[in-house]
Amino acid sequence: AQTVTQSQPEMSVQEAETVTLSCTYDTSESNYYLFWYKQPPSRQMILVIRQEAYKQQNATENRFSVNFQKAAKSFSLKISDSQLGDTAMYFCASLRWGNEKLTFGTGTRLTIIP
Amino acid sequence: GAGVSQSPSNKVTEKGKDVELRCDPISGHTALYWYRQSLGQGLEFLIYFQGNSAPDKSGLPSDRFSAERTGGSVSTLTIQRTQQEDSAVYLCASSLGASGSEQYFGPGTRLTVT
Repeated sequence: AQTVTQSQPEMSVQEAETVTLSCTYDTSESNYYLFWYKQPPSRQMILVIRQEAYKQQNATENRFSVNFQKAAKSFSLKISDSQLGDTAMYFCASLRWGNEKLTFGTGTRLTIIP
Repeated sequence: GAGVSQSPSNKVTEKGKDVELRCDPISGHTALYWYRQSLGQGLEFLIYFQGNSAPDKSGLPSDRFSAERTGGSVSTLTIQRTQQEDSAVYLCASSLGASGSEQYFGPGTRLTVT
């Protein structure tokens, strides 16, 4: 079974600063995917970034990037130049290849302070 | 194009009643998922449909829960004899079906059992 752990229930940062959200996971699989999802107060889950485990290069999407450490089973999300619209719950999730169920962490509530 | 839609947005029901939650996936998406988000359990997988294959029901918490997907499109999640512990946000997602592809989420249905 896969497990995902987010050890930071809440974080806050000043607007325009950089913040890093932590995530560790446990899996015995060799082929899997990792995701960061954002859930604003509107409740709609939005994909922020996706990483394929077989790729060594860290995924990047504009201001969002990950630090994927496969041996350590760590998958942290870095948000640069944070904006007020980044305020949301952030969920780390994993998915085993061929088994399409997302396994989520407990989330980190991020607040961007103006 | 249109995203995943869910109805109703909110549902309040009395303990013991049956409820039906509806999900309209993105057109052309062959895979459909139901997840539950509750305070006590976090985000958990319920059921997964892929094309014409038998659904993966491994996440359904009890036999009071069932789901169907008609014509490969719309899905209905039914909860019979609702209990207070069923109170949660029920999220539906759809994807193109390839392993690890992005799951697009709907806004969810908030179910409150009184």
